[in-house]
Amino acid sequence: AQKVTQAQTEISVVEKEDVTLDCVYETRDTTYYLFWYKQPPSGELVFLIRRNSFDEQNEISGRYSWNFQKSTSSFNFTITASQVVDSAVYFCALSEAPGGNEKLTFGTGTRLTIIP
Amino acid sequence: ETGVTQTPRHLVMGMTNKKSLKCEQHLGHNAMYWYKQSAKKPLELMFVYSLEERVENNSVPSRFSPECPNSSHLFLHLHTLQPEDSALYLCASSQRLFSDTQYFGPGTRLTVL
Repeated sequence: AQKVTQAQTEISVVEKEDVTLDCVYETRDTTYYLFWYKQPPSGELVFLIRRNSFDEQNEISGRYSWNFQKSTSSFNFTITASQVVDSAVYFCALSEAPGGNEKLTFGTGTRLTIIP
Repeated sequence: ETGVTQTPRHLVMGMTNKKSLKCEQHLGHNAMYWYKQSAKKPLELMFVYSLEERVENNSVPSRFSPECPNSSHLFLHLHTLQPEDSALYLCASSQRLFSDTQYFGPGTRLTVL
């Protein structure tokens, strides 16, 4: 069965510090998709990134970067030069390809607080 | 107007009331989903519709009744709820079923008294 573990329940950092959110996943499928979502206090889940299991290239988007390592089944998310607006709950999620368990399985989330 | 919208944003109801949650997507997607988000729990998938056909019902109690009249609209009808049903109810849509990226609405914060 697929599983997503976000071991960090809560993280607090001072503004402008870098912070890494960890995500470890389990799946038996060789083709799968990994996602990160951001949930600000307003409640909406905001899509950040989708990564295909065949693409292990790291991705950078502005202050956000993602490190995908199949060898350790991890898909970690780093925010550089954090800002107060980054305060939110961040969810990592996994779905398998058609034929497997396609349902989106979420981790329990990491609550990130950026202290001004 | 773009994205996924949900109304109402907040709802307080008694256990004997009947109410409905509405979700509308403006993305031209074919699949829509209802999720429940309770405190300290992972998101729980409740119902899934693909091209207006229900394809998933995750052992949800019958006091929750979904309706998908067309590919842009999804409703969740509520009746005789329990206090433990208090949660954030999130709607999502995706172009194709499941493995495509799901885009979420802002949710309805439901409180059952």
